[in-house]
Amino acid sequence: DQQVKQNSPSLSVQEGRISILNCDYTNSMFDYFLWYKKYPAEGPTFLISISSIKDKNEDGRFTVFLNKSAKHLSLHIVPSQPGDSAVYFCAASAPGTYKYIFGTGTRLKVLA
Amino acid sequence: NAGVMQNPRHLVRRRGQEARLRCSPMKGHSHVYWYRQLPEEGLKFMVYLQKENIIDESGMPKERFSAEFPKEGPSILRIQQVVRGDSAAYFCASSPRDIHNEQFFGPGTRLTVL
Repeated sequence: DQQVKQNSPSLSVQEGRISILNCDYTNSMFDYFLWYKKYPAEGPTFLISISSIKDKNEDGRFTVFLNKSAKHLSLHIVPSQPGDSAVYFCAASAPGTYKYIFGTGTRLKVLA
Repeated sequence: NAGVMQNPRHLVRRRGQEARLRCSPMKGHSHVYWYRQLPEEGLKFMVYLQKENIIDESGMPKERFSAEFPKEGPSILRIQQVVRGDSAAYFCASSPRDIHNEQFFGPGTRLTVL
C-alpha cells in the first residue's frame, strides 16, 4: 500500500525552464511534507518542507505547493539548472510521528 | 561541522554472514533513524532510536535484524545470516528532535550479498 506516490519516474526539462515534480498521497492524516534531492551514491539532501497549515512555501528557486483537498503536492524549480539533475523524493509524516513515508522518486534531467 | 557519517560505504557479504552497519549522527543530534532503499524503490523506514532506547522498530523485519544506539559510540544496524534479498542501500538519518524536524541523511551503506 503506497501511501505516497510519485507517478512520473522521470522528467526532462531544458535549462532555464520550469521543472514541476508531482506527488500524491492517500493518508489524510499527513500534516508535514518534505522534498529531498538525491545524487547517485549520496544520501538524500533536504530541500524544502511544508506544513499542512500552509499551501505554499518558497525558498529561492524552489517552491512547494500543497493542495490538501486533492491530496497533492508539487515542487517547482525555476529556473532549472543542470546541477538540479538528480532524483527527487517527496516524503510525508503524520501528527505525533517522526516516520517519513517516502515516494518512489522522480529522476529529473535538466538539459543544457 | 561534520554531517551524518556512515561506514562502511560499501559492504560485501556472502549468504549466511553477518553485516554490521555503523552510523554517527550529526553533532548535537540525539535521534537516529534507519531506512532501507531497495533498487527502484523509495526509502522505507526501519527503526527509530534515541540513546540507549529503541523507540519504534515497526519497520524492521522480525528476524535477523537488530539495531542499537549505545550511550557511547555510533548506532549499529546488524543483520545476521544475510540473504540476497538484504542487498540494498541502508541510510541513516539524524535529527535534533523527533517530530517535524528535517532528518539529515548520511551517504548510505550499500550492502551486496553474494
